[in-house]
Amino acid sequence: GNSVTQMEGPVTLSEEAFLTINCTYTATGYPSLFWYVQYPGEGLQLLLKATKADDKGSNKGFEATYRKETTSFHLEKGSVQVSDSAVYFCALPNTGNQFYFGTGTSLTVIP
Amino acid sequence: NAGVTQTPKFQVLKTGQSMTLQCAQDMNHNSMYWYRQDPGMGLRLIYYSASEGTTDKGEVPNGYNVSRLNKREFSLRLESAAPSQTSVYFCASSPWAGTGGNEQFFGPGTRLTVL
Repeated sequence: GNSVTQMEGPVTLSEEAFLTINCTYTATGYPSLFWYVQYPGEGLQLLLKATKADDKGSNKGFEATYRKETTSFHLEKGSVQVSDSAVYFCALPNTGNQFYFGTGTSLTVIP
Repeated sequence: NAGVTQTPKFQVLKTGQSMTLQCAQDMNHNSMYWYRQDPGMGLRLIYYSASEGTTDKGEVPNGYNVSRLNKREFSLRLESAAPSQTSVYFCASSPWAGTGGNEQFFGPGTRLTVL
């Protein structure tokens, strides 16, 4: 089945630093790809998605490009803020509408 | 719109006790899911319901049962709780099950401890 491999954390950055969280996928065909974010004490919420190869998803200053050549969907942000501290999950659909979630990458941004 | 709601938020059980986790969504979604989240393991699917009247096992169904009570509600039951079931449980819903990869909407979670 489909799966993702996600960069392990935790990641600690200073405010305004550049963020990259790596995600590579294994999939049949070209499924949509997703990044979810989980803030402390909350459930997951969709951060961004890309529905086909070469698409770029973006939201709240975060971006990720669906690259079929490298089977990657890395999450980036040019200047992180303290409020970006959260756990980030890469995900893709598996059979039916089941999702396969990565193990999550914890990000802490310090002032 | 409340989205996806879960009750209770916290629960402590003794080994062998039973309990039911409740989940409801008000978005008229067809599909609903139960996940558990454990440190270092991401989210693992326990059971899902592609549509009202159907339920299917996910990756880790042992020790759990589910009921899709109606289109809005999907409950998860632990018949005889074990310490290995200590986890955070999330309910989610999506418009429908299919290969399009529809976004899933998550509830706030239930933190369960089994002593």
